[in-house]
Amino acid sequence: QKEVEQNSGPLSVPEGAIASLNCTYSDRGSQSFFWYRQYSGKSPELIMFIYSNGDKEDGRFTAQLNKASQYVSLLIRDSQPSDSATYLCAVTGGGADGLTFGKGTHLIIQP
Amino acid sequence: DGGITQSPKYLFRKEGQNVTLSCEQNLNHDAMYWYRQDPGQGLRLIYYSQIVNDFQKGDIAEGYSVSREKKESFPLTVTSAQKNPTAFYLCASSIGSLETQYFGPGTRLLVL
Repeated sequence: QKEVEQNSGPLSVPEGAIASLNCTYSDRGSQSFFWYRQYSGKSPELIMFIYSNGDKEDGRFTAQLNKASQYVSLLIRDSQPSDSATYLCAVTGGGADGLTFGKGTHLIIQP
Repeated sequence: DGGITQSPKYLFRKEGQNVTLSCEQNLNHDAMYWYRQDPGQGLRLIYYSQIVNDFQKGDIAEGYSVSREKKESFPLTVTSAQKNPTAFYLCASSIGSLETQYFGPGTRLLVL
């Protein structure tokens, strides 16, 4: 059984600071890693995906993957109040059975 | 306008009743998925389909059924056997099983 672990939070970060969200996964065969943002009452929307070890940057967002340690992280620079949401980490394995999600981290950006 | 649509936005079920949630996509994606989300929980996979006329059970398929007669459509039926159906139901699709999944707006199911 694949497991994805996230700290549920809430994680409180001052506006303009860097928010760091972490995720660990149990299946060493996991190949694709995704970060979704979910506002309350809404469906998840994709923030970033990463397949290879190292960093991947997209605007204010940076995803970091370390397959040896089985963790993936998301950094949000210059945090804005609109970044306040729940962030879901998801991974895929070698099969066709969709994504395995963590329970999400609730992020609060304080103005 | 490409995307995934789900209807209805809210659905009320009476005890003993079967209800069907609609999911349609015009993204030409082969794979489609149904997830259930409960408060404080992550998304849990109910059913998935990689191709028309084929689908597989996910982690929590009991009390649910699906069909995939068309590439664009993947309806989910919540049967009377599902004793705790109150949840937020999310449909997703992707080009392939390891590719990015895109979500519809969701259907919130409540029991009367």
